[in-house]
Amino acid sequence: DIQMTQSPSSLSASVGDRVTITCRASQAVSSYLNWYQQKPGEVPKVLIYDASSLQSGVPSRFSGSGSGTDFTLTISGLQPEDFATYYCQQGYTTPGTFGGGTKVEIK
Amino acid sequence: EVQLVESGGGLVQPGGSLRLSCAASGFTFSNYWMSWVRQAPGKGLEWVANTQQDGSKKYYVDSMKGRFTISRDNAKNSLYLQLNSLTAEDTAVYHCAREVPTGLLDLWGQGTLVTVSP
Repeated sequence: DIQMTQSPSSLSASVGDRVTITCRASQAVSSYLNWYQQKPGEVPKVLIYDASSLQSGVPSRFSGSGSGTDFTLTISGLQPEDFATYYCQQGYTTPGTFGGGTKVEIK
Repeated sequence: EVQLVESGGGLVQPGGSLRLSCAASGFTFSNYWMSWVRQAPGKGLEWVANTQQDGSKKYYVDSMKGRFTISRDNAKNSLYLQLNSLTAEDTAVYHCAREVPTGLLDLWGQGTLVTVSP
């Protein structure tokens, strides 16, 4: 199975900050990399699919990049509603493994 | 409305069994791979299993092979997950999710809680 490693596991940031979360795959997954946002008590929400495509309705301050084994989720100008946990997931092969998550907290 | 609604969770003793269901509506269920993903309390997301559109192919995470069985009934627009030989480590919210060809899980149900405890 492909292992997905996210870093950091948590971070503290202020409103307006630029935040970067990384995700590394144990083997190449091409561009089959997705990012989800999950708030407490809620279902995961798709932010980015295919490494860099913005899901419809998601604010443009979210962006994704990378291919192969190294990927990045960037939030440009953190907003209060962005405090949540973020997960990467590879869709290259089954099982579609998730990263361990990155919790973004208010500084 | 496009949605997935899970049911069947509950409290079960170690070694017991449960059958989870997921009712799909608002889209052509038989056109999609479907998946189960679980989340233990306070923990991250864990992919469990998926099944092809006609149910002929099924995949499981290694740790659950032999204990969990995924199935579907396209006539009833329903997905199922049979859970056997449950342990405390299986305590989690179980979500069903729609899977698109790139592996993206683009539609999620609210989940059903399975609690394994004496």
